[in-house]
Amino acid sequence: GESVGLHLPTLSVQEGDNSIINCAYSNSASDYFIWYKQESGKGPQFIIDIRSNMDKRQGQRVTVLLNKTVKHLSLQIAATQPGDSAVYFCADASGGGADGLTFGKGTHLIIQP
Amino acid sequence: DAGITQSPRHKVTETGTPVTLRCHQTENHRYMYWYRQDPGHGLRLIHYSYGVKDTDKGEVSDGYSVSRSKTEDFLLTLESATSSQTSVYFCAISDSWPPIQETQYFGPGTRLLVL
Repeated sequence: GESVGLHLPTLSVQEGDNSIINCAYSNSASDYFIWYKQESGKGPQFIIDIRSNMDKRQGQRVTVLLNKTVKHLSLQIAATQPGDSAVYFCADASGGGADGLTFGKGTHLIIQP
Repeated sequence: DAGITQSPRHKVTETGTPVTLRCHQTENHRYMYWYRQDPGHGLRLIHYSYGVKDTDKGEVSDGYSVSRSKTEDFLLTLESATSSQTSVYFCAISDSWPPIQETQYFGPGTRLLVL
């Protein structure tokens, strides 16, 4: 069946290093993805999106890469800070109707001092 | 902060009792959603609404019903709560589909424990 999943449940990085969080998807027709950040005790927060007509999109300290050939996307966070500690989800927003998002299971990013 | 609230924020109830969760928005957004979040499952869509009185089922709608009589309120009802409905429930709003960063928001969540 269709799925959106992340490769690792937990990622630990040193403060100041770059973080890379991966996500694989199975539906080759998917054409719009969103990355969310969820801090402890809060709802998810939309951080960056990418459409299938792009391979890369950059935001403030974040970059998303999309490889449609292998159905893989990644979120790169530059110079990771303590405030980046959270669970990160990729979500497939390609649904034809307004029927919500298909979320991956999430990766917990832990920042080591 | 975006104008989206959920009530109650925490609830403990017993199996078999009815429970209603409320999502309230002040953004006048068209689309509203209810998700549940469980360990190992990420967020899963329960029901959504694309306008007043217009609702539809999501991936995990069994045991849940919703109502939207006003733009600003989206109610989620568990007619007879079961332990499998113990979860964290999130409401989300959006002004468009697909959502865009500037107008999509999630509420703070409601922790529900069914004993």
